[in-house]
Amino acid sequence: DIQMTQSPSSLSASVGDRVTITCRASQNINSYLNWYQQKPGKAPKLLIYAASSLQIGVPSRFSGSGSGTDFTLTINSLQPEDFATYYCQQSSSTLTFGQGTKVEIK
Amino acid sequence: QVQLQESGPGLVKPSETLSLTCTVSGGSVSTYYWSWIRQPPGKGLEWIGYIYYSGSTNYNPSLKSRVTISVDRSKNQFSLKVSSVTAADTAVYYCARDAAGLDYWGQGTLVTVSS
Repeated sequence: DIQMTQSPSSLSASVGDRVTITCRASQNINSYLNWYQQKPGKAPKLLIYAASSLQIGVPSRFSGSGSGTDFTLTINSLQPEDFATYYCQQSSSTLTFGQGTKVEIK
Repeated sequence: QVQLQESGPGLVKPSETLSLTCTVSGGSVSTYYWSWIRQPPGKGLEWIGYIYYSGSTNYNPSLKSRVTISVDRSKNQFSLKVSSVTAADTAVYYCARDAAGLDYWGQGTLVTVSS
């Protein structure tokens, strides 16, 4: 299995902050990396696919970068509705998710 | 707009088989891959497996011996069976379409394993 490790596990931030979440794969996954947002009691929502492509309808303050083993999700100018848990997921082989990063209000 | 809806028992006894169905509307199971994912209470996401409309499947190695995913194109549904369940299988179970990422999800259904 390809292991996905996210950091940090949680963070506190204020509205308007720039937030960066990293995801590291245990082996090369090229650009087979997706990012999701999950709010309590809701299904995850796809934000970014193929490492850097913005899913239709997702605000442009979300962006993704990276390839190989190291990836980043950036949220520019954090909004109140962005407080949630974020997961990375690789699709290079049998799918695996990172453990999640909880973004909380400072 | 593609919509997915999980259905099935919310309570399953230990050692029995968990069975869920995902009904797809606004799209066809005869395209793309269709996945099952679960999330134990308070924990992260675990991919269970997927099926292609042709019937080809791929499963999480950690669950492979107990999991079967099937598709019924006539009903536009796909299904999950997990055998020999224990309390560790208690989770919210989601179905999702796997296109470029898991782009459409059901709302999820809580399945509790308890006697």
